[in-house]
Amino acid sequence: SAVISQKPSRDICQRGTSLTIQCQVDSQVTMMFWYRQQPGQSLTLIATANQGSEATYESGFVIDKFPISRPNLTFSTLTVSNMSPEDSSIYLCSVVEVNTEAFFGQGTRLTVV
Amino acid sequence: DAKTTQPTSMDCAEGRAANLPCNHSTISGNEYVYWYRQIHSQGPQYIIHGLKNNETNEMASLIITEDRKSSTLILPHATLRDTAVYYCIVRAYNTDKLIFGTGTRLQVFP
Repeated sequence: SAVISQKPSRDICQRGTSLTIQCQVDSQVTMMFWYRQQPGQSLTLIATANQGSEATYESGFVIDKFPISRPNLTFSTLTVSNMSPEDSSIYLCSVVEVNTEAFFGQGTRLTVV
Repeated sequence: DAKTTQPTSMDCAEGRAANLPCNHSTISGNEYVYWYRQIHSQGPQYIIHGLKNNETNEMASLIITEDRKSSTLILPHATLRDTAVYYCIVRAYNTDKLIFGTGTRLQVFP
């Protein structure tokens, strides 16, 4: 099973600023995903982070707001830009290898004030 | 959109079996049923998955109806540590995205 480290684990940010969340995996993986979990809600897929190409975003999420980098097969970042209190959520990184189950990081708890 | 329907919440006494139902009436032939759980504020944890046969592992059993339109996750001897939100997800084996529904909040009580 893959071990995923996310940084930071939590942060409190001022509105209008940006936060970059890092996701590091202990092995090379093909597929990486970013999810958002708003308070009391289920997980919502933000995008698929593709190595060597632009991320693929789900409906309702745009690159300008959530730019993603995937420089290699073990690392990805998600930036939450121009934050507002509505962006207060847990952001989770997930990895999948072909035909295996998904593994999740412990998440980044973001509070925007 | 999620392709599953689950009850919002369930209770179970410690030591008893917890049976969590899931409806997936529009499941396609190449889609598997996956179960994950999320213990308070942690990342989701894989439990089990299956295609059409019943499956069992060290954590749970998965019973899939013959028409594959519904399934039940069974925790044979629930403990307090099984208190969590349980998500039933259908996923095609050749794709990698997981689309989460609302899940079932299972409360195990002493």
